[in-house]
Amino acid sequence: AQSVSQHNHHVILSEAASLELGCNYSYGGTVNLFWYVQYPGQHLQLLLKYFSGDPLVKGIKGFEAEFIKSKFSFNLRKPSVQWSDTAEYFCAVNAWTGKLIFGQGTTLQVKP
Amino acid sequence: GAGVSQSPRYKVAKRGQDVALRCDPISGHVSLFWYQQALGQGPEFLTYFQNEAQLDKSGLPSDRFFAERPEGSVSTLKIQRTQQEDSAVYLCASSLWGSGRTNYNEQFFGPGTRLTVL
Repeated sequence: AQSVSQHNHHVILSEAASLELGCNYSYGGTVNLFWYVQYPGQHLQLLLKYFSGDPLVKGIKGFEAEFIKSKFSFNLRKPSVQWSDTAEYFCAVNAWTGKLIFGQGTTLQVKP
Repeated sequence: GAGVSQSPRYKVAKRGQDVALRCDPISGHVSLFWYQQALGQGPEFLTYFQNEAQLDKSGLPSDRFFAERPEGSVSTLKIQRTQQEDSAVYLCASSLWGSGRTNYNEQFFGPGTRLTVL
C-alpha cells in the first residue's frame, strides 16, 4: 500500500533560519508528489508539485523541493523562513487512482 | 465564488444522530474527492466522484458513511448514527479533469466541515 512518512512532526525555528522538512513515500510505480500548506484558520493550499522532468521544483513563497527517486524522498526546503511561514505542512503522493495519500503533517513554528 | 465551498463549517451532533455535509466544487470540475482529517493527522481519502459516478469508495470507514453527487456538481457526505470516532474535519476537493488524466490534476480544497460528536 502507498504511504507517506514525514519525519518532523513539530519544528521550531527562528526567522531567517533555513528549513528542510523530510518526506518519504512508499510506492513502486510512477508517482506525482505534492507539498500542501495550511496556514492557521485557512484551507489547504498547494505549495508545489512534481510530475516529471527537473527533480528540483520551485513553488510559491520561496519554497522548493527535490525529488530523489533512489531515496523515495521529496524534501521541502526554504533558505530563510519568515514568521508568516508558521503553518502546517503536508507531503502527499498521487498515484494513478487520483486520490492523494498524505503524510501526518509537520507543524512549523517560526519565532520572530 | 471561485473556490470550493463547504457547509456547514461547524457541526455538533449527538451520538446516534445523522448528519449531512455539503460540498460545492469549483464550477466545471469533473473530479470531486472527500477526505477525513482527524486531529493531528493528515487528511485520509474517503471517496472519489467523476461527474456523478462514484468511482472509488474504498476509504469510507463503514456502511454508516454514504456520499452522493447526483447531478455531477454538488456533493453530500452523509453519516448515519454518528459515533464519537467520527469527530474530525471533513474536507472536499475538486479537480478539473477525470480519471485517466488525474495524474496532472491539481486538487483544490475547501475549508472543511469540523464535525464534533458528543
